[in-house]
Amino acid sequence: DAGVTQSPTHLIKTRGQQVTLRCSPKSGHDTVSWYQQALGQGPQFIFQYYEEEERQRGNFPDRFSGHQFPNYSSELNVNALLLGDSALYLCASSRDGTLSEAFFGQGTRLTVV
Amino acid sequence: AQSVSQHNHHVILSEAASLELGCNYSYGGTVNLFWYVQYPGQHLQLLLKYFSGDPLVKGIKGFEAEFIKSKFSFNLRKPSVQWSDTAEYFCGGGSTLGRLYFGRGTQLTVWP
Repeated sequence: DAGVTQSPTHLIKTRGQQVTLRCSPKSGHDTVSWYQQALGQGPQFIFQYYEEEERQRGNFPDRFSGHQFPNYSSELNVNALLLGDSALYLCASSRDGTLSEAFFGQGTRLTVV
Repeated sequence: AQSVSQHNHHVILSEAASLELGCNYSYGGTVNLFWYVQYPGQHLQLLLKYFSGDPLVKGIKGFEAEFIKSKFSFNLRKPSVQWSDTAEYFCGGGSTLGRLYFGRGTQLTVWP
């Protein structure tokens, strides 16, 4: 059990639609990072949330946005979906962004048709 | 620029064979290096990590990795693989604020 839970596990959307993915961090963790893992690639950093604010961001367009709630859970929103957004979206939680204890969820498989 | 590269995309071994997966990094600051494993249908799990100190790092399931600063490498090793080691392995590097940079992964297939 990873301790990090993501929902839903699978999702199919149509081009142009919007999607929201959810993540609950491991107990005791306050930082949530999101990654996109395309088929055959390693995870790519999207952004990180700490204290309900985006603390750092990778090279992703503004169509990707997020939110962190007071209970540390987080959402990833993607607008105007493209076929290329099809990927496994991973959430990782840690304490204050430190890397010594980064735990990953099982991911949400998003398919855009 | 910060980046991590993995040389082998698919490795096939027989049980009891020795394993070495290559990883090179490019960093401008403090080096934090990791190996993660992803079994089919499961989440990424941390195998081992290097932050400082002894460059030979022991991890779970009999894995180890050696940090060689002069070669910018952090190769993963296991003396004798098992069928249950079949998985995808990711080398990663991290920044001080917790951002991870991953290689594209190496699929390891172990034949019984």
